Amino acid sequence: GQQVMQIPQYQHVQEGEDFTTYCNSSTTLSNIQWYKQRPGGHPVFLIQLVKSGEVKKQKRLTFQFGEAKKNSSLHITATQTTDVGTYFCAGDTGNQFYFGTGTSLTVIP
Amino acid sequence: DGGITQSPKYLFRKEGQNVTLSCEQNLNHDAMYWYRQDPGQGLRLIYYSQIVNDFQKGDIAEGYSVSREKKESFPLTVTSAQKNPTAFYLCASRRDSVGNYGYTFGSGTRLTVV
Repeated sequence: GQQVMQIPQYQHVQEGEDFTTYCNSSTTLSNIQWYKQRPGGHPVFLIQLVKSGEVKKQKRLTFQFGEAKKNSSLHITATQTTDVGTYFCAGDTGNQFYFGTGTSLTVIP
Repeated sequence: DGGITQSPKYLFRKEGQNVTLSCEQNLNHDAMYWYRQDPGQGLRLIYYSQIVNDFQKGDIAEGYSVSREKKESFPLTVTSAQKNPTAFYLCASRRDSVGNYGYTFGSGTRLTVV
């Protein structure tokens, strides 16, 4: 069954609003990665989190890895139209990476 | 520039035909992967290869076959046994399968059964 769940599936925000997507695993992860896929494009690697409770920032993007290493989140502050796309998490169970179902972000100008 | 090249970008297949999707990388990566992407289902692993002349089934290998005769190349054949082949197929590579490395994806092949 699905190892990594991601919510919400879709999110529409007004430009300038914040956005958050959540990723939850049924098992403890050794690390988690985040990807962005623009409409009509392919996933592009954004970042990897390895340590329990780790927080990393990339400009307006903040990535967190839960203390139990079973969940993660991606938060975008003050969204812009260039943030449009689908954001995927990918959790490493030690045997295989499992991709979440993705959150499709629409930014309304 | 280093990267992964997938071809063709669009492919139409008649029912009962086998088709082969090409994937070539010049990143000198050891590990290569094939994923299938369907709306609302994320990416599902079809096959992966950690070294030349070796590959393993992923979660949805039925109806697909692969080969890894060269480090740079990992073609995927969609056989007539695959019941619902219409999908977006993504090839990816990583430096190796055990280190903390991200996936590099190709631009994908959109396969449609007509």
